[in-house]
Amino acid sequence: AQRVTQPEKLLSVFKGAPVELKCNYSYSGSPELFWYVQYSRQRLQLLLRHISRESIKGFTADLNKGETSFHLKKPFAQEEDSAMYYCALSSIQGAQKLVFGQGTRLTINP
Amino acid sequence: DTGVSQDPRHKITKRGQNVTFRCDPISEHNRLYWYRQTLGQGPEFLTYFQNEAQLEKSRLLSDRFSAERPKGSFSTLEIQRTEQGDSAMYLCASSFSGPFEAFFGQGTRLTVV
Repeated sequence: AQRVTQPEKLLSVFKGAPVELKCNYSYSGSPELFWYVQYSRQRLQLLLRHISRESIKGFTADLNKGETSFHLKKPFAQEEDSAMYYCALSSIQGAQKLVFGQGTRLTINP
Repeated sequence: DTGVSQDPRHKITKRGQNVTFRCDPISEHNRLYWYRQTLGQGPEFLTYFQNEAQLEKSRLLSDRFSAERPKGSFSTLEIQRTEQGDSAMYLCASSFSGPFEAFFGQGTRLTVV
């Protein structure tokens, strides 16, 4: 069964501090992993996907197949990073759905 | 706004009533998805259309739920005989090439009283 776990519902850090949002997954095949973000009063939107290996808005995420993790990291948090973050996976084999975690609300304190 | 549009944004209904939601995808997108999000949870997949064909349905989509996408354009999601457990945010998304590149609408918040 496909499952995504985000162990922290709430995460609060100070501006300028490093931030790490945890994501663990279970999936029998080879998944694609994503991070989605939802800013206040805005739509859910894709932040980054593991295969692109990009840094978006200073965020990076590394897929660790051994630990089945896909943690999201940023070295220096900014106040505008405050949002709801969802980790999600999709089957490479073409299942047309995303499986989301419960989400982590990130608050950056000034 | 040329993004995915959902109507209505909010709906309050009495238990047992039927409700219908509409989703207008981005015009060139042939794939359309419905998700449901309850409080404190991430979105859960309900169903997927490619053009007018409904190709995937979640077991969450009981026989009280039906979705259509006539002519491969807008889509409707109907819930019959609503129950309090149906209270949730219903999200629609559309894409051209895959689920992860989908653009999400702002959702319809359903409250069943």
